Amino acid sequence: DGGITQSPKYLFRKEGQNVTLSCEQNLNHDAMYWYRQDPGQGLRLIYYSQIVNDFQKGDIAEGYSVSREKKESFPLTVTSAQKNPTAFYLCASKDRGVNTEAFFGQGTRLTVV
Amino acid sequence: EDKVVQSPLSLVVHEGDTVTLNCSYEVTNFRSLLWYKQEKKAPTFLFMLTSSGIEKKSGRLSSILDKKELSSILNITATQTGDSAIYLCAVEPLRGYQKVTFGTGTKLQVIP
Repeated sequence: DGGITQSPKYLFRKEGQNVTLSCEQNLNHDAMYWYRQDPGQGLRLIYYSQIVNDFQKGDIAEGYSVSREKKESFPLTVTSAQKNPTAFYLCASKDRGVNTEAFFGQGTRLTVV
Repeated sequence: EDKVVQSPLSLVVHEGDTVTLNCSYEVTNFRSLLWYKQEKKAPTFLFMLTSSGIEKKSGRLSSILDKKELSSILNITATQTGDSAIYLCAVEPLRGYQKVTFGTGTKLQVIP
């Protein structure tokens, strides 16, 4: 089955630690995205990538980093510089074609303890 | 910076009611507007509206794009408890899959 897989579903981080959230897609999509969702709010773009080895900052990139070494993978690292990382993180991918919708993973809920 | 604003932020209705959700946008070189439904975790796609397709309908849901007013509405008729969700609006710029900007979302609760 084609789709996007995020792991883990739940993640607990101690203050001062870096953690990496995984996102893998087998849809052969060129573009991939990371969004953050806080309770009762919409999605805010963290980073996005249009092709392998290239990515751009979104609106709230501070304290986060990404890599895109393979087309199917777009991991997100939440660094200790992110002051309020507790949130729900969604990964999405999108085909290059005109007027195509994004497909989302099931999300990772990150909690700082 | 592209901007998408949705209203209301939350809404509680009774089953059978009709609701209208609003989305307004400011985006450089608009290409398309998309509506998603988020019930628990992953948003799922509902509609895409473009210059060549300004009205879409699927069952009890319908959506219209007003390019002059830079806005869109999502209508749900005869609401059911299964319609309870966060409804997200997103806009896509002309140049393919660059920054897709989402709105704040509208949380809809349908009570029996």
